[in-house]
Amino acid sequence: ILNVEQSPQSLHVQEGDSTNFTCSFPSSNFYALHWYRWETAKSPEALFVMTLNGDEKKKGRISATLNTKEGYSYLYIKGSQPEDSATYLCAFPNDYKLSFGAGTTVTVRA
Amino acid sequence: EAGVAQSPRYKIIEKRQSVAFWCNPISGHATLYWYQQILGQGPKLLIQFQNNGVVDDSQLPKDRFSAERLKGVDSTLKIQPAKLEDSAVYLCASSLPLTGFSYEQYFGPGTRLTVT
Repeated sequence: ILNVEQSPQSLHVQEGDSTNFTCSFPSSNFYALHWYRWETAKSPEALFVMTLNGDEKKKGRISATLNTKEGYSYLYIKGSQPEDSATYLCAFPNDYKLSFGAGTTVTVRA
Repeated sequence: EAGVAQSPRYKIIEKRQSVAFWCNPISGHATLYWYQQILGQGPKLLIQFQNNGVVDDSQLPKDRFSAERLKGVDSTLKIQPAKLEDSAVYLCASSLPLTGFSYEQYFGPGTRLTVT
């Protein structure tokens, strides 16, 4: 079982503000890092699969960066909207299974 | 494309009772996973199937949990007898056959179990 840590555990953001949070993972034997978004009462949805050091991916107002040498990834939300309220999970694959962090729960206040 | 289906969505039972959850994966997905997500923690893999064979069940509490995937399609996860600490969301996910570490898993909406 690998140690995947996310911080902060939760955050509150005013509508229109930008925010970011972190996922840290073992830097050795890196293959990929997954980000998922999990809205209340819905299925977790894949956001990004990141594989290369320095990788930056974007989906609408959400983007992510990856540093495999130091073992962290940032997820950014630009101009937060109420529909961005969700728990954001990162996951690190090992032995063909995913080890998940505990997630960062984002609440966007109108 | 239809997503991963799970039922029931919610279940409340008393401790020592039994409960079963059902999952129907995306058509053509050979790999099926059951996760347990306890409040405040990340999802934890309970069992992984490749077609109808078990790939990994190292974190499944086998004295009370069981799972099967007959014919390599639908799957059922059972808890008997339930304990208070089994209160959690049970997620089912599926993916294409294991071909590398960048494979994506598709999740169902989960079953929220409350044991009283």
